[in-house]
Amino acid sequence: QVQVVQSGAEVKKPGASVKVSCKTSGYTFTSYFIHWVRQAPGQGLEWMGIINPNGGGTTYAQRLQGRITLTRYTSTRTIYMELSSLTSDDTAVYYCATAGTSGSYLDYWGQGTLVTVSS
Amino acid sequence: DIQMTQSPSSLSASVGDGVTITCRASHNVNNYLNWYQQKPGKAPKLLIYGASSIQDGVPSRFSGSGSGTDFTLTISSLQPEDFATFYCQQTYSMPFTFGPGTKVDIK
Repeated sequence: QVQVVQSGAEVKKPGASVKVSCKTSGYTFTSYFIHWVRQAPGQGLEWMGIINPNGGGTTYAQRLQGRITLTRYTSTRTIYMELSSLTSDDTAVYYCATAGTSGSYLDYWGQGTLVTVSS
Repeated sequence: DIQMTQSPSSLSASVGDGVTITCRASHNVNNYLNWYQQKPGKAPKLLIYGASSIQDGVPSRFSGSGSGTDFTLTISSLQPEDFATFYCQQTYSMPFTFGPGTKVDIK
């Protein structure tokens, strides 16, 4: 069955970068896009970007453009989300999710990774 | 960007009640509208995709309807495990925006 497992919690200082991993199994890795979504404490869901594991093409939310990078490694079936120039506003739980057979819904989600930005 | 709104922002209901949550898009999203349920400390769970298709394993008391800009999620008879926050999301145009959420709690 499909499984999505993310890396553990991170604590970073303002101005630093963070790299979160998302390891998948149970399906053909190149078949499904991967989305990234984040959720600040007590807040709603914010869509961050998407990567096509087949070729590595990406699209990012405009407000994160220039700070976010999604990469994939097909040999390890792992997607990485790197966010740079962190501020306290980036404190959130970060989720990755597979994009479903049609690509238009998020069906299998990772468990989430808490990133805390604090001096 | 397409803006998503939901109403109500919260509601209190009893086990067995029927509940309807509304989602509105600022522009036409055809039927590229999904609904998710999220419980505290957990990842969101897909309930409905394509406005009205129920995800495998989701109880049939959940249903979705609508097209264009106006959508609804209906829970026909609330069960204890249904108390959670519900989000709509459009996947018609990037960025794939979410609604602000509707929290359903116990009356």
